[in-house]
Amino acid sequence: GAVVSQHPSRVICKSGTSVKIECRSLDFQATTMFWYRQFPKKSLMLMATSNEGSKATYEQGVEKDKFLINHASLTLSTLTVTSAHPEDSSFYICSARDSTSLTDTQYFGPGTRLTVL
Amino acid sequence: QQQVKQSPQSLIVQKGGISIINCAYENTAFDYFPWYQQFPGKGPALLIAIRPDVSEKKEGRFTISFNKSAKQFSLHIMDSQPGDSATYFCAASRQAGTALIFGKGTTLSVSS
Repeated sequence: GAVVSQHPSRVICKSGTSVKIECRSLDFQATTMFWYRQFPKKSLMLMATSNEGSKATYEQGVEKDKFLINHASLTLSTLTVTSAHPEDSSFYICSARDSTSLTDTQYFGPGTRLTVL
Repeated sequence: QQQVKQSPQSLIVQKGGISIINCAYENTAFDYFPWYQQFPGKGPALLIAIRPDVSEKKEGRFTISFNKSAKQFSLHIMDSQPGDSATYFCAASRQAGTALIFGKGTTLSVSS
């Protein structure tokens, strides 16, 4: 089956620093990837839609200058949390859709736990 | 505005019993309805999905029932096992390739 990886799985950083999270589709190409944020015992909230070779589309209320998204290739999207603060601590999950698939199946990565001290 | 409403928030079922989780949606443009299973600290994993052109889909112990006129769909887990204890999310999307809108999730506990 299709596999999506995320790196790192956990990261702890100091307030004010920037953190980059990678999302890779390992065995398929993904023209579109999605970034979600999940708080403890809560649902997944869509942050942005990442399209290969173009600017990401951000959901209302998500600061695009704070959460920088780059989708430079068909298998890699990155989320950079800039000037991180404790309130940015969360579980970040990406998903990707197989561009060649006839179905709408989205495959999720294992998530990245960000803790900002 | 919550586009996908999920209930119950939590559910306790005896081993071997049937777990039923319900979702309702508002946007008639939704045409893809998946269910995901998530264990603590892990990403969601697709369980089963359905499109509005069928009323039921079964895969192993998991069944989706879909009622287009009522704008509702549900997940049935037959012969529930302790290993099924997890959080389940329903979701919907408008068209192929668009982002999923998730329900708030149901925490299922299956007692042995």
